[in-house]
Amino acid sequence: DTAVSQTPKYLVTQMGNDKSIKCEQNLGHDTMYWYKQDSKKFLKIMFSYNNKELIINETVPNRFSPKSPDKAHLNLHINSLELGDSAVYFCASSQDHGTDGYTFGSGTRLTVV
Amino acid sequence: GESVGLHLPTLSVQEGDNSIINCAYSNSASDYFIWYKQESGKGPQFIIDIRSNMDKRQGQRVTVLLNKTVKHLSLQIAATQPGDSAVYFCAELLTGNMLTFGGGTRLMVKP
Repeated sequence: DTAVSQTPKYLVTQMGNDKSIKCEQNLGHDTMYWYKQDSKKFLKIMFSYNNKELIINETVPNRFSPKSPDKAHLNLHINSLELGDSAVYFCASSQDHGTDGYTFGSGTRLTVV
Repeated sequence: GESVGLHLPTLSVQEGDNSIINCAYSNSASDYFIWYKQESGKGPQFIIDIRSNMDKRQGQRVTVLLNKTVKHLSLQIAATQPGDSAVYFCAELLTGNMLTFGGGTRLMVKP
């Protein structure tokens, strides 16, 4: 069973479109995250979310918004996509704010053309 | 800016040799550190972790060393194998905050 699963694995879309990436975890973790990995492999935290609070990295444009229908899901919505949004997006989850590590999904490669 | 960095972006080793990947961190308050391995097309995979009250921790073929005095972290891989080829990241966590990653080191294992 996949612990953290993301869909789709690949997403190609035009500038200006709105898209969503879905994430689900079956680990029973209480916190989920979104990371962005750029072309140089640098991983940057975007959001942290549990049922109590959303923490947003202040550098993330407000075109990006996380939506959590329940504890096991954290979807990423992106409005008005730009070329610079092209990257690999990783979902992750942890228990107790990550003091035993984060578990990552396999990533979604977003290409904006 | 990032608070975690790596000295060597690419490391090439011969199969069977030992590998050492280094990392410097800047937040002296960080209390938990993790090494991740990322293979092509996959997400980061947990390798080994260490808490700030420890100096060394060993796993299967891997050892992590933590030097809090100079804020340095290293990952040692014994008898490196072709399957070890990947990008390795160190990451730090200050309890209550979020995991922060360094820039990654690509390990290439020559047969």
